[in-house]
Amino acid sequence: DAGITQSPRHKVTETGTPVTLRCHQTENHRYMYWYRQDPGHGLRLIHYSYGVKDTDKGEVSDGYSVSRSKTEDFLLTLESATSSQTSVYFCAISEGQESFYEQYFGPGTRLTVT
Amino acid sequence: RKEVEQDPGPFNVPEGATVAFNCTYSNSASQSFFWYRQDCRKEPKLLMSVYSSGNEDGRFTAQLNRASQYISLLIRDSKLSDSATYLCVVNINYGGATNKLIFGTGTLLAVQP
Repeated sequence: DAGITQSPRHKVTETGTPVTLRCHQTENHRYMYWYRQDPGHGLRLIHYSYGVKDTDKGEVSDGYSVSRSKTEDFLLTLESATSSQTSVYFCAISEGQESFYEQYFGPGTRLTVT
Repeated sequence: RKEVEQDPGPFNVPEGATVAFNCTYSNSASQSFFWYRQDCRKEPKLLMSVYSSGNEDGRFTAQLNRASQYISLLIRDSKLSDSATYLCVVNINYGGATNKLIFGTGTLLAVQP
């Protein structure tokens, strides 16, 4: 158990509304990641963080922003939700000082945009 | 062509059977390799890292073939509880400190009683 929680676990929202998903970890890991998982695609990286206030884009970052003001929290914001952002969102961490090595995932957030 | 490809299955096998999955990757800059297990509507969980010499963890054996650019996972004496989707994951170095994990879409295993 990597001590990762995500909130909310489920959310239904309307097109055009902003949505923020939270990832919280209790073990002071440096690297944190946000992925989305859709049928027919492997997990795809949205954004990641390598420290407080240090973030970078992944392959599907359009329409998303992130913030990390504390080591333990990594927030993902959908600035104006669209139906194409209906997905399952997973947060992950890497242990130690290596990024993109072994990653451990939170339980996920199922987001539906109507 | 996808960077990581897996047979989606499903692989339907009886309890006690041996089953093997292959995964091919296209980028020769791939450095590290992993197998994850994902149960339905759950998060992926790391099953094992794959080392160059091959490695074994109980009933699970992982192999890496760099020349042919594939990795494999062998499960012996299948249990009902092994039913899940198995994700092949590859760490690729794009130059310098730029790394990325590429996830396959998974292979579904259904172990039948």
